[in-house]
Formats: sequence, C-alpha cells, structure tokens
Amino acid sequence: EVQLLESGGGLVQPGGSLRLSCAASGLIFSSYVMNWVRQAPGKGLEWVSGISGSDGSAYYADSVKGRFTISRDNSKNTLYLQMNSLRAEDTAIYYCAKGGSTVTTGLFDYWGQGTLVTVSS
Amino acid sequence: DIVMTQSPDSLAVSLGERATINCKSSQSVLYSSNNKNYFAWYQQKPGQPPKLLIYWASTRQSGVPDRFSGSGSETDFTLTISSLQAEDVAVYYCQQYYNIPRTFGQGTRVEIK
Repeated sequence: EVQLLESGGGLVQPGGSLRLSCAASGLIFSSYVMNWVRQAPGKGLEWVSGISGSDGSAYYADSVKGRFTISRDNSKNTLYLQMNSLRAEDTAIYYCAKGGSTVTTGLFDYWGQGTLVTVSS
Repeated sequence: DIVMTQSPDSLAVSLGERATINCKSSQSVLYSSNNKNYFAWYQQKPGQPPKLLIYWASTRQSGVPDRFSGSGSETDFTLTISSLQAEDVAVYYCQQYYNIPRTFGQGTRVEIK
C-alpha cells in the first residue's frame, strides 16, 4: 500500500524559510513523478511543483517559481520542498502527491495527509 | 494556463437521486495522437486529502464505486453520481493534466437535501 507522510510544516515569519519532507513507502519511488499540491484555508487546490523520477526535471507554478525548490532523494524515498521568501499567501496545507510514471501522466493517484504551513508575523 | 471552471459551485441532492457536476476547460485537453483526454476528477471529504475518482475523463480509479461516472471530451466534462449516498458528501474537483501548470477547478460542494 502506497503511503506518503509529510513533515516540516509550522509557523514562519514573512520572508522566512521552511523545508518540507515527504517520506514515501509501498512504491518504487524512483519510478514516479512526485508533486506538491497546496490548499489555502477554506480554498481550492493549487498545484505547486513536480519532479520527475528519472532525470529529476523540475516544474513549478509561476506563483512559487524562484522561491521554492523541489528535490528528491531516491535512495531515501523522500521528496522535499525548500520554501524561501515566504509570503502570507503561501499559508496552506501542503500535500505530497504521487504522479504517473512520466511527466505527461500528470494525475495524482495517492496523497499524503498534508502538513500545515502558516506564514505570519 | 488552462482555466478550469466548474458548475454549479454547490448542489443539494436527495439521497438516492442523481448528482451532476460540470467542468469546462478554457482549451481542449484532448491529445490527438492517442485520443485521450488529460482530465481527472477528485473527491475531498472534510479534513481529508483529495482522492482520485476518475482519470482519462472516464476511467474509474480502482475501488471507486460504479455509481461514479465521468464523461465528456475536449473542453466539456461531467461527473455523475447516479444514486447519491450519505458518504458522497464532499467537495469535488476537476483537473487537467494536458500541460503544466496542472490546474484544478474551483470545486463543487455536494450536500444532502
């Protein structure tokens, strides 16, 4: 059974940084695209970033490009999101979501429970 | 970016009745080379992460009850719950994966009348 467990969320001041992690199990981690999707309180879903399993190609939403960096360690079955220059509008639950085996199959078939990031002074 | 627009924003349906949610994309998500629509539906219950229901516009994810069905092509899609059950109370989202950025509809809240 595929399991995704996020960690690293918390309260951070505007302009600060945070690093999220997602530990994956029950799958051949390196074979799949992995993603971060966020949900602001009471709002809808927003795809943030994705990274391919094979060559590590990374993709970002315009809203986070230049501030967030996605990475993965296939030896540890772990996905990361380094978030810098955080803004109040980055406040959200951040979900780790498994994608398909290629970037073109961009659906999300397994999701973690999410980790809450709050950006406030 | 492809804009996904769902309708209605919310609906209330009696138990056992049909619920229908629509989603329109701002451009076609049909990839002509393989004739597949790069389109999915998700269900999100309160306090839970989203769950994949339907992909390729009409393929049910494993374990999803057959009262859920997806239809449509190119820019217009529909999610139908043929006989609403109490456990179907949730917010439903559509999503395109035709290109990056992946984009979602704003969500449709389904309640019991």
